Amino acid sequence: NAGVMQNPRHLVRRRGQEARLRCSPMKGHSHVYWYRQLPEEGLKFMVYLQKENIIDESGMPKERFSAEFPKEGPSILRIQQVVRGDSAAYFCASSPTSGSGTDTQYFGPGTRLTVL
Amino acid sequence: LAKTTQPISMDSYEGQEVNITCSHNNIATNDYITWYQQFPSQGPRFIIQGYKTKVTNEVASLFIPADRKSSTLSLPRVSLSDTAVYYCLVGEGGGADGLTFGKGTHLIIQP
Repeated sequence: NAGVMQNPRHLVRRRGQEARLRCSPMKGHSHVYWYRQLPEEGLKFMVYLQKENIIDESGMPKERFSAEFPKEGPSILRIQQVVRGDSAAYFCASSPTSGSGTDTQYFGPGTRLTVL
Repeated sequence: LAKTTQPISMDSYEGQEVNITCSHNNIATNDYITWYQQFPSQGPRFIIQGYKTKVTNEVASLFIPADRKSSTLSLPRVSLSDTAVYYCLVGEGGGADGLTFGKGTHLIIQP
């Protein structure tokens, strides 16, 4: 059973370009979470999605950032008009169900975004 | 979400038992305590989760006193490969909410 997959692992963009980060959850998992990690910091929650629905986007910046989890295919985190401050590691996690204290989130290897 | 406090860093030696304590004075009745491990350039990995008393798995033990205001992650006989950042999280569970990570404890194991 493959784990959470993210691609690309490394992404370099120039200021003003768009960045698209992809996440395929573990098989059987219908819940996806995106986190951002700056150097020497812990992960910061961004958004929680289920298939075709955004459940909680309280951690998402109000502008330039969007996320989706379509019925078919991976979840996408999109950052438009990237700025240097967007440089970070972006992690995706998935879980099988919600609402239980024992549900564990399984993390992918992350995408390291560098904005030049 | 309950705030957690844990040491920024710890050092130990191979073969020793390492105990990392996390304080969470404002833990709520429905909150679980979960520990994650993160190696450089990798995503966090679930280690152990508990609600009260003691939980043990093949990797670690988790000790939670009766008042649940703190918890201790115990790693038996550590090796160099246990060098990592360890995060203590408190919340209602990983399924319904985004997890809140602090800065974690950077554990360094020396030969």
